[in-house]
Amino acid sequence: KAGVTQTPRYLIKTRGQQVTLSCSPISGHRSVSWYQQTPGQGLQFLFEYFSETQRNKGNFPGRFSGRQFSNSRSEMNVSTLELGDSALYLCASSPTTGSYNEQFFGPGTRLTVL
Amino acid sequence: AQSVAQPEDQVNVAEGNPLTVKCTYSVSGNPYLFWYVQYPNRGLQFLLKYITGDNLVKGSYGFEAEFNKSQTSFHLKKPSALVSDSALYFCAVRDMNNNAGNMLTFGGGTRLMVKP
Repeated sequence: KAGVTQTPRYLIKTRGQQVTLSCSPISGHRSVSWYQQTPGQGLQFLFEYFSETQRNKGNFPGRFSGRQFSNSRSEMNVSTLELGDSALYLCASSPTTGSYNEQFFGPGTRLTVL
Repeated sequence: AQSVAQPEDQVNVAEGNPLTVKCTYSVSGNPYLFWYVQYPNRGLQFLLKYITGDNLVKGSYGFEAEFNKSQTSFHLKKPSALVSDSALYFCAVRDMNNNAGNMLTFGGGTRLMVKP
């Protein structure tokens, strides 16, 4: 089985722009979660989507949003980018939600905001 | 609220020696506990998990972890370290009794350095 894929791998934007990141989960997985990784704050949960519905949301401003499509692929969007949004954004997939299954992570998208 | 603490930013060990990476957690209910490893410019790779049952859990690449409920700890161990084990290790917890889906709370990470 192919793993979790994320596109693009690297992205450079300027303050005020918006960005869309994409995640394709492992085939058959219906849950997709997003995490932000920074040197200062570590790994923080952004949100989870399951069957096209947002299941849970972390403590991030409304500039961070996401969606999931019927094929379980997910996108996250960050509007009005700030310097502090520079981070590695990781997507993780799992067969279902709220169970003991581990999550499988993609390689991440490194976003740099100038 | 749930939280994870990894008290050591870095652990140094000589190749061939045993290694321990420490993790303590706090959840209101019963925990699901996970260890992940991250190599440079890569995502997180799953190592092992504790769900229920035996307190000693065996995982990938010869790693194991011991769940201790009274000490709320889940330390990662390996009997004999390899240079290739050098990486960033994350402990994570999920409260099985809450309604937070798959949300994981991660510790700050511990960098493991194995010297030849």
